Amino acid sequence: GAVVSQHPSWVICKSGTSVKIECRSLDFQATTMFWYRQFPKQSLMLMATSNEGSKATYEQGVEKDKFLINHASLTLSTLTVTSAHPEDSSFYICSAPPLAGGPTDTQYFGPGTRLTVL
Amino acid sequence: AQRVTQPEKLLSVFKGAPVELKCNYSYSGSPELFWYVQYSRQRLQLLLRHISRESIKGFTADLNKGETSFHLKKPFAQEEDSAMYYCALTLSGGYNKLIFGAGTRLAVHP
Repeated sequence: GAVVSQHPSWVICKSGTSVKIECRSLDFQATTMFWYRQFPKQSLMLMATSNEGSKATYEQGVEKDKFLINHASLTLSTLTVTSAHPEDSSFYICSAPPLAGGPTDTQYFGPGTRLTVL
Repeated sequence: AQRVTQPEKLLSVFKGAPVELKCNYSYSGSPELFWYVQYSRQRLQLLLRHISRESIKGFTADLNKGETSFHLKKPFAQEEDSAMYYCALTLSGGYNKLIFGAGTRLAVHP
């Protein structure tokens, strides 16, 4: 089956630094990838839609200058949390629907990246 | 605005008991609804979608447009069903973003 990976699986950083999280579709191509944020014991909140070859689309209330998204290829999207602060600590999850094959509404989720900002 | 509501944070049942996880949605158009499941220490995965009208692992869910509900049911719960269950909505067909409910933790006790 289709697999989405994320790297790193967890990261601890100091306040004020930037952190990059990668989302890769391992055995399929995806023109669109989605980035979610999940706080402890809460649901997934969509942050942005990553579009290959064009700008990401951000949800209301998400700072695009804070959460930089780059979708450089059909298998890779990156989320960079710039000037991270403790309130950015969270679980970040990406998902991707395959470009071809399978039901059109299928999305495959990555395992998530836990970010802790000290 | 589109919204998915799962009123129960936790549902605790004994093995063999029937299970119903509630999900209500608000959307003026024709939604596509899903149930996703997240087992302990595993990634989120699709359980079932309303358009398929299928039964997966004994679970079924029927879309009731009149009540704007998509409740998940299983007649006899198993311990391995213990997990977080999320109801989700997408606004139209194709590769569209998902709007998730808050999730319900199902705990099935022996």
